[in-house]
Amino acid sequence: EADIYQTPRYLVIGTGKKITLECSQTMGHDKMYWYQQDPGMELHLIHYSYGVNSTEKGDLSSESTVSRIRTEHFPLTLESARPSHTSQYLCASSEWGAGASSPLHFGNGTRLTVT
Amino acid sequence: SQQGEEDPQALSIQEGENATMNCSYKTSINNLQWYRQNSGRGLVHLILIRSNEREKHSGRLRVTLDTSKKSSSLLITASRAADTASYFCATDAVSARQLTFGSGTQLTVLP
Repeated sequence: EADIYQTPRYLVIGTGKKITLECSQTMGHDKMYWYQQDPGMELHLIHYSYGVNSTEKGDLSSESTVSRIRTEHFPLTLESARPSHTSQYLCASSEWGAGASSPLHFGNGTRLTVT
Repeated sequence: SQQGEEDPQALSIQEGENATMNCSYKTSINNLQWYRQNSGRGLVHLILIRSNEREKHSGRLRVTLDTSKKSSSLLITASRAADTASYFCATDAVSARQLTFGSGTQLTVLP
């Protein structure tokens, strides 16, 4: 298993709360990603980063924001959670970006429920 | 629409049988990857096949790639109950910046 960690594993929170999902990797990978996945469905890329101080939005529009101040850390923040944000959030990292034939290493995800 | 789409959506087989899953995609790719996801967990990378390769093996896994038909298949031989999971293909398209995942095949291996 890859060394990429997500906390918390499960989070149930009320509407309007601010939340931060944590993601850390110990592999020294430059590339990191956040995907959103509803149960039994495909993964949608919401944010990615090529390295420190680099962040980009993915294909799926998201109200969340990310930061990359350290190579190993890529947290995702929702300023005001809504029920539509209920989903599983998966963090991943890779040694190189797409086009360089590098596989993604995933964390176990955070299952977020907004009531 | 998705770059990669798996077929079938769900597959149920007996232990010891072979399982075949297919993936079709739309645009030219650099490589295609297969991942496994156990229930409630993250994805685990299984195998990567480059656009200039036609077949690749890893243990009980065999992946084929047909770029003329824009399709790939994943074969799991002598399946085990522990193979029960969702299997996703992901394409590294020439025109895209990131991997694009399909909707997955849910495989159930009955003991």
